[in-house]
Amino acid sequence: ETGVTQTPRHLVMGMTNKKSLKCEQHLGHNAMYWYKQSAKKPLELMFVYNFKEQTENNSVPSRFSPECPNSSHLFLHLHTLQPEDSALYLCASSQGGEYSNQPQHFGDGTRLSIL
Amino acid sequence: GESVGLHLPTLSVQEGDNSIINCAYSNSASDYFIWYKQESGKGPQFIIDIRSNMDKRQGQRVTVLLNKTVKHLSLQIAATQPGDSAVYFCAESEPLWGYQKVTFGTGTKLQVIP
Repeated sequence: ETGVTQTPRHLVMGMTNKKSLKCEQHLGHNAMYWYKQSAKKPLELMFVYNFKEQTENNSVPSRFSPECPNSSHLFLHLHTLQPEDSALYLCASSQGGEYSNQPQHFGDGTRLSIL
Repeated sequence: GESVGLHLPTLSVQEGDNSIINCAYSNSASDYFIWYKQESGKGPQFIIDIRSNMDKRQGQRVTVLLNKTVKHLSLQIAATQPGDSAVYFCAESEPLWGYQKVTFGTGTKLQVIP
């Protein structure tokens, strides 16, 4: 059983819809991440939050909006997406801080399809 | 730019044989390396890691070797089992305060032949 839970597992939406992806970690970590995984491409880092503060926005379009209300929860708000945004969106967490050389733990992702 | 890559996109191995998956990295600032396993429909699962002050680390049936001279990383799986069939990713981590900046390879698909 994963310590990182993502919901929903699957999401189909139109380009004009607004939806949100949710991630919750039960590992006591203080850093959380959003990644995009597309076919035949390496995982792409989108956002990083450390102690609830955003520390990296990896040139992600503004139609993706992250939110981190506390160190256990992370959201990705979606609006006006494009067909090329269809992918698997993965959330991860790690210990962070002075213990930064620790593995990231991943959820099972949300499979997003844009019609 | 910096990159992490894998030499073989697909590896087929007979059940019971040993598997070796290779990876090249190019960021000299990376000091931490991780191998992940991703099964169909699941997220990447941590397998084993190694810090740059080591050249070998062993786990249960898995061994990671690090050659900093040629910037090469490998994952060895002993007595490969059908349950080992998955995509394996190597990743390199650059130390930044507060979090890891991890760069992933494209992955190698391991197929175990019963």
